[in-house]
Amino acid sequence: GQQLNQSPQSMFIQEGEDVSMNCTSSSIFNTWLWYKQDPGEGPVLLIALYKAGELTSNGRLTAQFGITRKDSFLNISASIPSDVGIYFCAGFYGGATNKLIFGTGTLLAVQP
Amino acid sequence: NAGVMQNPRHLVRRRGQEARLRCSPMKGHSHVYWYRQLPEEGLKFMVYLQKENIIDESGMPKERFSAEFPKEGPSILRIQQVVRGDSAAYFCASSQGGGTGELFFGEGSRLTVL
Repeated sequence: GQQLNQSPQSMFIQEGEDVSMNCTSSSIFNTWLWYKQDPGEGPVLLIALYKAGELTSNGRLTAQFGITRKDSFLNISASIPSDVGIYFCAGFYGGATNKLIFGTGTLLAVQP
Repeated sequence: NAGVMQNPRHLVRRRGQEARLRCSPMKGHSHVYWYRQLPEEGLKFMVYLQKENIIDESGMPKERFSAEFPKEGPSILRIQQVVRGDSAAYFCASSQGGGTGELFFGEGSRLTVL
């Protein structure tokens, strides 16, 4: 099935560093969302973006909805150990295609 | 806890047995989605249901898998005659609808087929 391309696949950083990851699609979406998944847990919604060009922040997280509606990025500033996990982007079109399509995920490891 | 509730959290079945996974959506949510996650992979859409209706089952295998969301009670994902390849984490998510795409996920049910 359809899947979004997410990069990088993994990141290993030092505590305090900033992180950037992005997601691209061949299809346009009306909503872009970013989720975080901890081991053994379900994905937790971090940020939702509804409009092309929109830039939204949630604490140390900032995400943008690309102008073409085919991409999005997520930045995490001043990373801390609890940021460790897998980050997934997800696209939503709505209408008849009323489901989330998930990216391939970015594994983030933060060394104290 | 007003979140999405899934049970069981862990389920072990032998090949050929049936697996039944349950999901109670968040209070006030009438839209339920099931996703499957294989180890080291992302979440793959399986089925989207509203009360008593299957809206989109394009991600469901054609055989052995079925889902329902009855008027009363939880949504059920049923896997008949399980095989080793069915071993995965199955996540349920719910939403209010309205076209925002904001889905809230449960903790998942981890199926292991021996």
